[in-house]
Amino acid sequence: EVHLVESGGGLAQPGGSLRLSCAASGFTFSDFAMTWVRQAPGKGLEWVAAITGSGDEKYYAVSVRGRFTISRDNSENTVHLQMSSLRADDTALYYCTRGPSKCCYTHHDYWGQGTLVTVSS
Amino acid sequence: QSVLTQPPSVSAALGQKVTISCSRRPSNFGHNYFSWYRHLPGTAPKLLIYDNDKRPSGVPDRFSGSRSGSSATLVITGLQPDDEADYYCGTWEDILSAFGGGTKLTVL
Repeated sequence: EVHLVESGGGLAQPGGSLRLSCAASGFTFSDFAMTWVRQAPGKGLEWVAAITGSGDEKYYAVSVRGRFTISRDNSENTVHLQMSSLRADDTALYYCTRGPSKCCYTHHDYWGQGTLVTVSS
Repeated sequence: QSVLTQPPSVSAALGQKVTISCSRRPSNFGHNYFSWYRHLPGTAPKLLIYDNDKRPSGVPDRFSGSRSGSSATLVITGLQPDDEADYYCGTWEDILSAFGGGTKLTVL
């Protein structure tokens, strides 16, 4: 059974940094692209970043480009999201998701429960 | 401007059918493949439909999807109280993933 478990959320100050992690199990991790999706309070889902199965290709939403970095460790079955220069509008529940194949994230077939990030002074 | 547009809310009676629409803005990119997700706030969203009309294993056939041009539709038949949730459409444009704004379904 596929499991995705996020961690690392918490309170950060504006301009600060935070690193999220997602531990995956139940599938061959390197065979699948992974993404992060967030939901701000009272808002809808917003795709944040994606990384291919090999980790060679990374893609970002315009809203986080240059501030967030996605990475993965296929030996540890984990994907990370390093967030810096945090702003109040980064406050959200961050979900880790799995794409359907190594290259692609045309849809998100499994989701974690999410980890909450709050950016406030 | 969001890539995908959904109605903010829909409602239908218990046991009846409801449709939720999703329209995509004109684009030179993308492949017009849509997915659908059910989401209860605070819980993990669940994939209902992918590649326009395919159901993952375990999703009841009360849920069906279709596409016409650059629009997609989710149909839920035999509405149950547990169907009350937020529903999101999703797509993939060039290298970017995107979601609609979400539709809140109320079961009367």
